[in-house]
Amino acid sequence: EAQVTQNPRYLITVTGKKLTVTCSQNMNHEYMSWYRQDPGLGLRQIYYSMNVEVTDKGDVPEGYKVSRKEKRNFPLILESPSPNQTSLYFCASSSSDRGRNQPQHFGDGTRLSIL
Amino acid sequence: AQTVTQSQPEMSVQEAETVTLSCTYDTSESDYYLFWYKQPPSRQMILVIRQEAYKQQNATENRFSVNFQKAAKSFSLKISDSQLGDAAMYFCAYRGDTGSYQLTFGKGTKLSVIP
Repeated sequence: EAQVTQNPRYLITVTGKKLTVTCSQNMNHEYMSWYRQDPGLGLRQIYYSMNVEVTDKGDVPEGYKVSRKEKRNFPLILESPSPNQTSLYFCASSSSDRGRNQPQHFGDGTRLSIL
Repeated sequence: AQTVTQSQPEMSVQEAETVTLSCTYDTSESDYYLFWYKQPPSRQMILVIRQEAYKQQNATENRFSVNFQKAAKSFSLKISDSQLGDAAMYFCAYRGDTGSYQLTFGKGTKLSVIP
């Protein structure tokens, strides 16, 4: 089954404690992306990757890091989380060699609470 | 930068009736792609329908159809014969034909279906 898998689904942690949210896709997609969703703001892109070792900032990259060492994986790293990073996070992927009309496939989301 | 506006934060519809969700966008590109995503209480992001700007014919998927007005930069979603399972947040999204594969989302419309 084609899917994007995020882990964990829920996480409560404290300010300053480094955390990583993993994302893996099994569709051999080139493009992967991270979004955060906040009430009244919709989804905003944090970082994206066009392919292995190619990453770039989205609209709200401050406080986040990413890496793309393998095509299937795109982890999101919070080096020193702060309460304003409490949010719902989505990983998404799509094919980039079959045209821009290809939809993004989303993971099930990760609810992060930073105390 | 492209912007996507959903002017209706909340809407409601009677079961079996028809409802239209509005979306407008701002872009200087001539070719682009538009999407509607549904987010039920389960938080999953589910593609509902997509439209290529160069196609004049409005996209249709079963009970879902769009009214795409390129000159007016409008992309509304019509849901016919509304069902209880249609209750969700609906997000309009834009992707340009150049540059990154970023999806720019509107802030969403929460649709309630009244039995």
